[in-house]
Amino acid sequence: QEKVQQSPESLIVPEGAMSSLNCTFSNSASQSIWWYQQHPGKGPEALISIFSNGNKKEGRLTVYLNRASLHVSLHIRDSQPSDSAVYLCAVSMRSFNKLTFGAGTRLAVCP
Amino acid sequence: GPKVLQIPSHQIIDMGQMVTLNCDPVSNHLYFYWYKQILGQQMEFLVNFYNGKVMEKSKLFKDQFSVERPDGSYFTLKIQPTALEDSAVYFCASSLTGGANERLFFGHGTKLSVL
Repeated sequence: QEKVQQSPESLIVPEGAMSSLNCTFSNSASQSIWWYQQHPGKGPEALISIFSNGNKKEGRLTVYLNRASLHVSLHIRDSQPSDSAVYLCAVSMRSFNKLTFGAGTRLAVCP
Repeated sequence: GPKVLQIPSHQIIDMGQMVTLNCDPVSNHLYFYWYKQILGQQMEFLVNFYNGKVMEKSKLFKDQFSVERPDGSYFTLKIQPTALEDSAVYFCASSLTGGANERLFFGHGTKLSVL
């Protein structure tokens, strides 16, 4: 069974700083790794995904994947108070896009 | 953007009763999912559904659970009878093709409280 671990559990950064979130997974045969953002009382919303080793950049977001070490990271440049939310790492397996989620990192960006 | 709607947002029910959670998926999507999140714990996969059939289910999808989408209406999760441990937030999601690298769209969840 796939296991997804996220660190840190919570992160506080000042506005304008870089936020760095980490995720490790257990199965190298996993497909895409997704990062979802979840605000209180809302459902998760997909931010960015990565499939191949290396990095992918979209706007202020950059994600790095290293399949050999089973590690993926998300970096948010120029963090804003509106980025404050829980960030969920989710790993997709081959079977009908079943996602295995981590417990999340709670990010707080202080003005 | 595309939205998944869940009704109701909160349901309170006595243990042993039946409950039906409703989901209105994105209009052209073909694959539907239910996830369960107990307070303070990670979100967990329950079931996925395509073309009128359950494609895959987890150990959390007990015999008391059932899903259906009659005639393209709501995608529903029914629990009969409910138990205390069913208290959680249930999230519905949908996707267009069900491909392993495709984005899922989630609703805002239905909080189920079993008393």
